[in-house]
Amino acid sequence: EDQVTQSPEALRLQEGESSSLNCSYTVSGLRGLFWYRQDPGKGPEFLFTLYSAGEEKEKERLKATLTKKESFLHITAPKPEDSATYLCAVQAFNQAGTALIFGKGTTLSVSS
Amino acid sequence: GAGVSQTPSNKVTEKGKYVELRCDPISGHTALYWYRQSLGQGPEFLIYFQGTGAADDSGLPNDRFFAVRPEGSVSTLKIQRTERGDSAVYLCASSLGSFTGELFFGEGSRLTVL
Repeated sequence: EDQVTQSPEALRLQEGESSSLNCSYTVSGLRGLFWYRQDPGKGPEFLFTLYSAGEEKEKERLKATLTKKESFLHITAPKPEDSATYLCAVQAFNQAGTALIFGKGTTLSVSS
Repeated sequence: GAGVSQTPSNKVTEKGKYVELRCDPISGHTALYWYRQSLGQGPEFLIYFQGTGAADDSGLPNDRFFAVRPEGSVSTLKIQRTERGDSAVYLCASSLGSFTGELFFGEGSRLTVL
């Protein structure tokens, strides 16, 4: 069964304190892995797509990396505005090719 | 606005009632998706439309749930004989292509079944 597990469930950081979020996945054939950000009361907002092991994507203070079993979202010198829930999702070849399987998310709180 | 629009933003209903949730996707986006998100969980896939047809409805939990997109733009998710377990945020998303994972989500419709 295709599955996504994110850890930790919650993470509290001080402003400027770098850290990483983990997304472990099991899927029969990975079409793509996606990171989204979700603010309270809002829909998820797309951040990155990763397709193959070794691939990296960066955007401001965020960098996403991918291996054959997991992905990391590295946050460098976070600011309070980075506080949100970060969702990881996979898309598998063995499905109709459309459904994203999401993890439960990691809720990040950054204090000044 | 250029984003995905969902109405109503909040809906409170009684057990057993019928509910309709509406989604207006980004103009030009042919693919439209419905997801459901319960508290503390990630979004769960319900149904996908490519144009007017439901290309994948494998996520609909049972036959009380139905969705339409008659003109290939606006979509309506219909829930019959609502149950308390249907309470969740129903998210609509659209995208330019069929197999992209880059989805544009609306803010959701929060459904509460009393």
